[in-house]
Amino acid sequence: NAGVTQTPKFQVLKTGQSMTLQCAQDMNHEYMSWYRQDPGMGLRLIHYSVGAGITDQGEVPNGYNVSRSTTEDFPLRLLSAAPSQTSVYFCASSSGTSTEAFFGQGTRLTVV
Amino acid sequence: ELKVEQNPLFLSMQEGKNYTIYCNYSTTSDRLYWYRQDPGKSLESLFVLLSNGAVKQEGRLMASLDTKARLSTLHITAAVHDLSATYFCAPRYGGSQGNLIFGKGTKLSVKP
Repeated sequence: NAGVTQTPKFQVLKTGQSMTLQCAQDMNHEYMSWYRQDPGMGLRLIHYSVGAGITDQGEVPNGYNVSRSTTEDFPLRLLSAAPSQTSVYFCASSSGTSTEAFFGQGTRLTVV
Repeated sequence: ELKVEQNPLFLSMQEGKNYTIYCNYSTTSDRLYWYRQDPGKSLESLFVLLSNGAVKQEGRLMASLDTKARLSTLHITAAVHDLSATYFCAPRYGGSQGNLIFGKGTKLSVKP
């Protein structure tokens, strides 16, 4: 009963480095999304996917790339990290046949 | 584009008192979620409201939805310290393949 699994939980990057935040779900959900949470800002949508092979931009997509090659996985890539990307990142998944939306435990990213 | 406004953003209550958190949103949404977040933790689903006039209750929390007024409320009855957390409302935007758009959250502190 894993639900939505995010790795890593914590990460420190230097400016300009690249990395991938992993998100996996085992519920066969078609919808997956990435949010970032900053103090006083709530959660803001970065990218989302409505199924394998289909992705789209959310409210704050700049500096991030995504792909969805399988139903289970939805990685978020930072190509060249910037201090402004210091944040807590949450992955979420849901199904069109269910009312529930499940969130992962979050990845706390610091860019120095 | 859907905008979400929560108020108040900060709420300090005494134990035993009642209060209401308000969530206004700007355009049509087919469902609305309420989440709770404890410091350093992920989001815990509290309620999903699916239709106009929907009311759901769990313990000391009761949520309602007025889709005509584009307003949801989260009412706290006889607050206890354990309810201290940040509460988010999130209407869904874009129909069945839409995404949750979050308010900035209400940080609730219940003092003895």
